[in-house]
Amino acid sequence: DARVTQTPRHKVTEMGQEVTMRCQPILGHNTVFWYRQTMMQGLELLAYFRNRAPLDDSGMPKDRFSAEMPDATLATLKIQPSEPRDSAVYFCASARRTGDSGTEAFFGQGTRLTVV
Amino acid sequence: AQSVTQLDSQVPVFEEAPVELRCNYSSSVSVYLFWYVQYPNQGLQLLLKYLSGSTLVKGINGFEAEFNKSQTSFHLRKPSVHISDTAEYFCAVTLYNQGGKLIFGQGTELSVKP
Repeated sequence: DARVTQTPRHKVTEMGQEVTMRCQPILGHNTVFWYRQTMMQGLELLAYFRNRAPLDDSGMPKDRFSAEMPDATLATLKIQPSEPRDSAVYFCASARRTGDSGTEAFFGQGTRLTVV
Repeated sequence: AQSVTQLDSQVPVFEEAPVELRCNYSSSVSVYLFWYVQYPNQGLQLLLKYLSGSTLVKGINGFEAEFNKSQTSFHLRKPSVHISDTAEYFCAVTLYNQGGKLIFGQGTELSVKP
């Protein structure tokens, strides 16, 4: 059963600490998205990658957030230093995209981050 | 700029009643359209999608949606809802020729009451 795997599922950290969230996309998927979900803002696209290259990270605060794909099986989202306003659920999603084909994105279960 | 608007933030409905969740989009290019459902403390699950062809698409759990290009809408419907349909529903678009970027609406909370 192919699925997107995110770790950790929950993370509580103190303000100022570094946070790393990991995502394993579905095998064969070449597009990875990072979203942040909060009550106030809903689902915000932070960044997305195609074939491991960033296509758009305009939704991400550049001073503290960074996203990478070290290889095709791993995507990471880092926050350094973390702040209480970063508390949210972070979702990773993957899709198989060729050209402009509209295949759906499959979502992981999310990482619930709490910064105290 | 492209955007997705879900016109109702909350929709309360009684069990076995019909429901319609409304979605409008704004885009200068062609789009692909999706509806996702999110149950409490879960990720998002695809309900249905419109890529091309027939404007009426059927999805899982008895849901269907109709693409109306002239009104730029993609409303979700179900003729008879169940308690288990209580969840958050998200409309989303992927912009054609824009690298596959997936943009979501703010979500509609469907609450089905007995």
